Amino acid sequence: EAEVAQSPRYKITEKSQAVAFWCDPISGHATLYWYRQILGQGPELLVQFQDESVVDDSQLPKDRFSAERLKGVDSTLKIQPAELGDSAMYLCASSLVGLAGGGDNEQFFGPGTRLTVL
Amino acid sequence: DQQVKQNSPSLSVQEGRISILNCDYTNSMFDYFLWYKKYPAEGPTFLISISSIKDKNEDGRFTVFLNKSAKHLSLHIVPSQPGDSAVYFCAASSYYGGSQGNLIFGKGTKLSVKP
Repeated sequence: EAEVAQSPRYKITEKSQAVAFWCDPISGHATLYWYRQILGQGPELLVQFQDESVVDDSQLPKDRFSAERLKGVDSTLKIQPAELGDSAMYLCASSLVGLAGGGDNEQFFGPGTRLTVL
Repeated sequence: DQQVKQNSPSLSVQEGRISILNCDYTNSMFDYFLWYKKYPAEGPTFLISISSIKDKNEDGRFTVFLNKSAKHLSLHIVPSQPGDSAVYFCAASSYYGGSQGNLIFGKGTKLSVKP
């Protein structure tokens, strides 16, 4: 069964360091999402890609966060420098339906990367 | 301001009984609703969805009910099984500009099904 892959599964870093997370969506899924989930909260969207283009990054803290999906397949989310408040689960999801699709919006999630900033 | 609210952080149910998880929303433009289940150390897994043109959708033991006038939806699990113990997230989106918008998630309800 096709799955969304993420790595690493766990990351511990010190504040002010740089961290990067990788995501490989389900093959053929045009839309890719990065979410942040703080303990006790629901996932919150950070950035959405349609193929290689960013379509929504309104909630991405652009002073320290960056995301790219250069070839429209896998994606990297970077934080530089990391802060204590960045400790959270970072989830990647993908969906078949893109901007021109409409209708169902079922997103498939990866296992996430648990980030701890010390 | 939370647009999707799950007011019960936790729910405990006996095996074999019905589990009812509730969700309220404030944005009347939402027209598509989903439930996700999440086990510890895993990403959310899609469970069931419902479009605003329906008031009920059923899939095996899982049924979602939508009351648009009350801006309320609920997930019923019958019969509940210990393996259903997980955190359940309600999510909603709206269709605009020719595409389905982003998912807005509630905070989740932790369901515990006791043998």
